[in-house]
Amino acid sequence: KAGVTQTPRYLIKTRGQQVTLSCSPISGHRSVSWYQQTPGQGLQFLFEYFSETQRNKGNFPGRFSGRQFSNSRSEMNVSTLELGDSALYLCASSLEAPAGGPETQYFGPGTRLLVL
Amino acid sequence: KQEVTQIPAALSVPEGENLVLNCSFTDSAIYNLQWFRQDPGKGLTSLLLIQSSQREQTSGRLNASLDKSSGRSTLYIAASQPGDSATYLCAVRGNFGNEKLTFGTGTRLTIIP
Repeated sequence: KAGVTQTPRYLIKTRGQQVTLSCSPISGHRSVSWYQQTPGQGLQFLFEYFSETQRNKGNFPGRFSGRQFSNSRSEMNVSTLELGDSALYLCASSLEAPAGGPETQYFGPGTRLLVL
Repeated sequence: KQEVTQIPAALSVPEGENLVLNCSFTDSAIYNLQWFRQDPGKGLTSLLLIQSSQREQTSGRLNASLDKSSGRSTLYIAASQPGDSATYLCAVRGNFGNEKLTFGTGTRLTIIP
């Protein structure tokens, strides 16, 4: 079974631009979460989608947005990029909502974004 | 607001030794706790997941314990190997309505051959 895939793996943008990152969850997984990892702040939760609906959202500005499609694939978008947005963006998928039982999140390799 | 702390931030031990990594969290209202490892430049690999009602989980040379009342978890690694070198992260998931994962700061482990 293929794991979580993220595209692109590496990205260089300049301040003010916008970027879209893509995540394909493990087949059959309906929950997708996004995280930002930086050396200073560590791993921080961005948002979680389940069945095309945003279920939870972290404390990030409105420049960060996401969506999930009917096939569970997810995209996140960052508009008006700032230098501080440089980070590793990780996507994780899990089978179903946590209320359904023990949940393990499976992480993709990440997209490394550098903002110049 | 949940806060998760891992001490020490870095640890070096000779190959073959047993070791313990620590994780503490401030809010005991958790759904589960998960241990991950992260290799440099890579994503996270799930190692063990402990439900809030459980006390420990084992997988091979790894054993994770959970003491929810004191807000602590430990990851025990037996007979360490150079391949165990990585950053280890613990993460807690909140209860229904707050299911996001809150991660600790990680412990960078180096096994010395």
